[in-house]
Amino acid sequence: SSELTQDPAVSVALGQTVRITCQGDSLRRSYATWYQQKPGQAPVIVIFDNKNRPSGIPDRFSGSTSGNSASLTITGAQAEDEADYYCNSRGSTGDHLVVFGGGTKLTVL
Amino acid sequence: QLQLQESGPGLVKPSETLSLTCTVSGGSVSSSSYYWAWIRQSPGKGLEWIGSVYYSGSTYYNPSLKNRVTISRDTSKNQFSLKLSSVTAADTAVYYCARHDYDLWTNYYKYYFDYWGQGTLVTVSS
Repeated sequence: SSELTQDPAVSVALGQTVRITCQGDSLRRSYATWYQQKPGQAPVIVIFDNKNRPSGIPDRFSGSTSGNSASLTITGAQAEDEADYYCNSRGSTGDHLVVFGGGTKLTVL
Repeated sequence: QLQLQESGPGLVKPSETLSLTCTVSGGSVSSSSYYWAWIRQSPGKGLEWIGSVYYSGSTYYNPSLKNRVTISRDTSKNQFSLKLSSVTAADTAVYYCARHDYDLWTNYYKYYFDYWGQGTLVTVSS
């Protein structure tokens, strides 16, 4: 099992808001990053350092943290947002170790 | 624009060593500002960090794979490589190479990957 825990699947109606969460002890002291991965493609960062959005990522994507949890919120989900979403952060067993969450499959209805 | 491209055999026999190379263009593996990493994704599964290498040759590995993994860099060819020994069917995966930042002055190692290769499928089968 992963050090970072995500719900396996989440669904959202088109145009509505959805939150995807990631839990793990390392999130108390390390930044979270969120990736979007579509079938057959490499992951793409949508949020880094908990809440920062890379250029080119729509502003409907936002990130937040609280305690040992990080969240990715999509406000006004679009059909093209249907994808797998992964969180990642520092591993809890030592510096320089990287961990990923198990991923959340987002379905846009 | 930085580009990373994985290459290597797509089929490896059980108990043998998986070897992959990542060729970097538009950037340099000799830069002190980055670590270079391997990440894999088993079919239908999540992402797993394998390990990272610095221009100096310093490496960090996933503890679950540490005994079987070697990551190295070749600055003359602007490449870095992965060797995974004693493979089994469980090592069948898409293998990605990627980059993450390192700030030498603050010793700040970033845990996320901003550039990825397209990935290459490696199947372990006899």
